[in-house]
Amino acid sequence: GAVVSQHPSWVICKSGTSVKIECRSLDFQATTMFWYRQFPKQSLMLMATSNEGSKATYEQGVEKDKFLINHASLTLSTLTVTSAHPEDSSFYICSARGLPSINTGELFFGEGSRLTVL
Amino acid sequence: KQEVTQIPAALSVPEGENLVLNCSFTDSAIYNLQWFRQDPGKGLTSLLLIQSSQREQTSGRLNASLDKSSGRSTLYIAASQPGDSATYLCAVDTDKLIFGTGTRLQVFP
Repeated sequence: GAVVSQHPSWVICKSGTSVKIECRSLDFQATTMFWYRQFPKQSLMLMATSNEGSKATYEQGVEKDKFLINHASLTLSTLTVTSAHPEDSSFYICSARGLPSINTGELFFGEGSRLTVL
Repeated sequence: KQEVTQIPAALSVPEGENLVLNCSFTDSAIYNLQWFRQDPGKGLTSLLLIQSSQREQTSGRLNASLDKSSGRSTLYIAASQPGDSATYLCAVDTDKLIFGTGTRLQVFP
């Protein structure tokens, strides 16, 4: 149980286009989802926290108009990179917290999505 | 602001050695601490989770300890194997998970 799935696992796009990444909790309801970004040979940096039905809370330095996060249901959150540029190329990972971890607080992670902007 | 640091940044050892990876954090007000493993180009694999009220957790050859008051955790890997080669990340939970800088481990035969 407690599986989080991301799609697509990798995507290549042209500069200036928008890309949407989906994060789904397959077997539980995710009350909170987190989006991380990881550049090569670096650690994961938290981008934003989203609670179902409310606006995402962005970390300092993350442009909310560029990285649109939607958490419209308890099983789906999406990250849209708008007008992507080569510097947005990165590994994006989502994680979710919900009932399975209500006592432990454990976060469950997706497999990640690698974005390459040409 | 919570900052999480891991030492060493990289480690290369022969097979069979016992290892200690270190994680330190600046704010002791945490709910829990997690250790993860990440293989190159892959997502995260959860290894151990230690609640703030606990001192250690064990899973197979892995043992993680937590000293919240001093802001430190260690991950002990016994009898290391080449398959243990990966990046190891610690992360502290303060309503959101903040990751450390990571330790790249290489175990050679």
